[in-house]
Amino acid sequence: GAVVSQHPSWVICKSGTSVKIECRSLDFQATTMFWYRQFPKQSLMLMATSNEGSKATYEQGVEKDKFLINHASLTLSTLTVTSAHPEDSSFYICSALRDEQYFGPGTRLTVT
Amino acid sequence: QQQVKQSPQSLIVQKGGISIINCAYENTAFDYFPWYQQFPGKGPALLIAIRPDVSEKKEGRFTISFNKSAKQFSLHIMDSQPGDSATYFCAASPNQGGKLIFGQGTELSVKP
Repeated sequence: GAVVSQHPSWVICKSGTSVKIECRSLDFQATTMFWYRQFPKQSLMLMATSNEGSKATYEQGVEKDKFLINHASLTLSTLTVTSAHPEDSSFYICSALRDEQYFGPGTRLTVT
Repeated sequence: QQQVKQSPQSLIVQKGGISIINCAYENTAFDYFPWYQQFPGKGPALLIAIRPDVSEKKEGRFTISFNKSAKQFSLHIMDSQPGDSATYFCAASPNQGGKLIFGQGTELSVKP
């Protein structure tokens, strides 16, 4: 048990457009989900904590107007990268909290 | 201080050997210390975790050693196998469900 999925697994978008990434807990309900960003050969950096039914809490330095997070149900959180630019190209990973954090498989975003 | 410092950055071990990765932390409020394994293009997966009330925890070929006074902990992989080749991250958190602070990662390569 404790499976987390992400969709899409890989997305390419043009500079200036927006892209939405979904994170789902498949076999448990998660009041809290986390969103991380990982650049090549680097560690995971927490972007924000997403709580069902309330506003996300963003880490220092993360633009909340650029990275919109919506946790509309106990099994789904979404991250929308607005007006994407090439520097937003990265690997985005979510986790869902049950007894501990269970991580999704990640979404590779490439902005051209 | 929220940092978790991990070393070495990369490690090459012969098949059957012992892989050792070290981490150090500053914040004495940390109470949960997990280790994650990440394969390229995938999300991290929990390997093993420890709390400061024990000095060692073993699960199969994986052992965590914990030194509370030195604020250090390490991962030992016994009988390392080529399938263990991956990036390993240590992490720390104030509690099991809390925000994780990740180390910088260690790229392990096990040679046949």
